Amino acid sequence: EPEVTQTPSHQVTQMGQEVILRCVPISNHLYFYWYRQILGQKVEFLVSFYNNEISEKSEIFDDQFSVERPDGSNFTLKIRSTKLEDSAMYFCASNGAYEQYFGPGTRLTVT
Amino acid sequence: EDQVTQSPEALRLQEGESSSLNCSYTVSGLRGLFWYRQDPGKGPEFLFTLYSAGEEKEKERLKATLTKKESFLHITAPKPEDSATYLCAVRRSDTGRRALTFGSGTRLQVQP
Repeated sequence: EPEVTQTPSHQVTQMGQEVILRCVPISNHLYFYWYRQILGQKVEFLVSFYNNEISEKSEIFDDQFSVERPDGSNFTLKIRSTKLEDSAMYFCASNGAYEQYFGPGTRLTVT
Repeated sequence: EDQVTQSPEALRLQEGESSSLNCSYTVSGLRGLFWYRQDPGKGPEFLFTLYSAGEEKEKERLKATLTKKESFLHITAPKPEDSATYLCAVRRSDTGRRALTFGSGTRLQVQP
């Protein structure tokens, strides 16, 4: 069964460093998303991406964040200068119709 | 602002003891209500989508129902492997909006 994959599973970085989280969405899906979940809190929407552009973003998704689809399979989230409060699980999701299918997540730890 | 409230926060059941989880929502035009299962340290796993009041969906021991204000996830004769956090999420009907708004989840523990 097709699934969303994410790498790395765990990323540790120092405050102020740039990180890139990678995702491979399900192959025939057209919509891609990033969500995050701070430990013990709700899953929060960050951004959606369709037809090579951002279609929707939340207040969390400020200038420190960017997304890209560099080729036909990968979808990336870049955090330009990480802060302690960026520590969270980051989930990629994709969908073709309505249901969004989530990847296993990348645990980002900022020290 | 869309709001999703789930109750109870945590639920402990004995194997075979049926129960229901609640998801109350406030959204300006519901496009869909989604149930997910999340195991510790993992991503949400899709279970059901409900689109309109009165709709019901079933999968094994789970049954989801929807009214105009809330959804229930009924668990019949649960097994220990049903232990997980169950998340409810809504999508608004605005054109171009696909973001899901999640509740905090119900943490279910089923004891053998």
